[in-house]
Amino acid sequence: AQSVTQPDIHITVSEGASLELRCNYSYGATPYLFWYVQSPGQGLQLLLKYFSGDTLVQGIKGFEAEFKRSQSSFNLRKPSVHWSDAAEYFCAVQGNLIFGKGTKLSVKP
Amino acid sequence: NAGVTQTPKFRVLKTGQSMTLLCAQDMNHEYMYWYRQDPGMGLRLIHYSVGEGTTAKGEVPDGYNVSRLKKQNFLLGLESAAPSQTSVYFCASRSPGWTEAFFGQGTRLTVV
Repeated sequence: AQSVTQPDIHITVSEGASLELRCNYSYGATPYLFWYVQSPGQGLQLLLKYFSGDTLVQGIKGFEAEFKRSQSSFNLRKPSVHWSDAAEYFCAVQGNLIFGKGTKLSVKP
Repeated sequence: NAGVTQTPKFRVLKTGQSMTLLCAQDMNHEYMYWYRQDPGMGLRLIHYSVGEGTTAKGEVPDGYNVSRLKKQNFLLGLESAAPSQTSVYFCASRSPGWTEAFFGQGTRLTVV
C-alpha cells in the first residue's frame, strides 16, 4: 500500500534561514512524488515534481527537492526562507494521489 | 480556461440532510479525485475515478457516494450528512500517466 509520512507537524524558522521539510514514502514501484503548498484559505499549488531522471529537482519560488531511493525520502529544501513562504506544505505520492498530513511552516521576522 | 471548478464554495447542512458537490473540469482529464481536508489530517482520498462511468473507493469512503456520468464532471454525494463530515472538500483531476493533478478551490461544508 502506498503512504506518505511527514514527521514534522509544525516548523518555525527565521526569515533568511535555510529550510528542510521531510517526507518519507512507501510505494511498491518507482514512485512519482510531488510537493504542494497551501496558503491559508486557498487551494493547493504544485511546487515541484519528480518523475524520473535527475534526483534533484527544482521547483517554483526557489524550492528544490532531492529524491533518495535508499532512504525512501523526498525532502524539500530552500536556502533562504522569505516571510511569504509561511504556509502548509504537503508531500504526495502517485499511484492514487495520496498525501501526507502536512507540515505547517511559520517564519519569524 | 477555468481548470477545475467546485460548486458550491460554502454550504451549511443540518444533520440528516443530503447534498451533492459538483466538480467540473475543462481539461479533458481522465482521472478525477475527491478529498477531504481536516486540521492535522492532511488531504484524505474519499473516492476517485479513472474514466467516465468508473469510480473507486479511496481511504475514507464511508458515508459518501460518487458518480462520473460525464467525463468532465465528478459528483460527490452525502445521503445523510453527519457532523463528522464537516470539512473542506477538494476535487482534483489529471491526465493518465505520470502527470500532475490540478485542484479546485475547495468547498467548505459545515454540518450542524
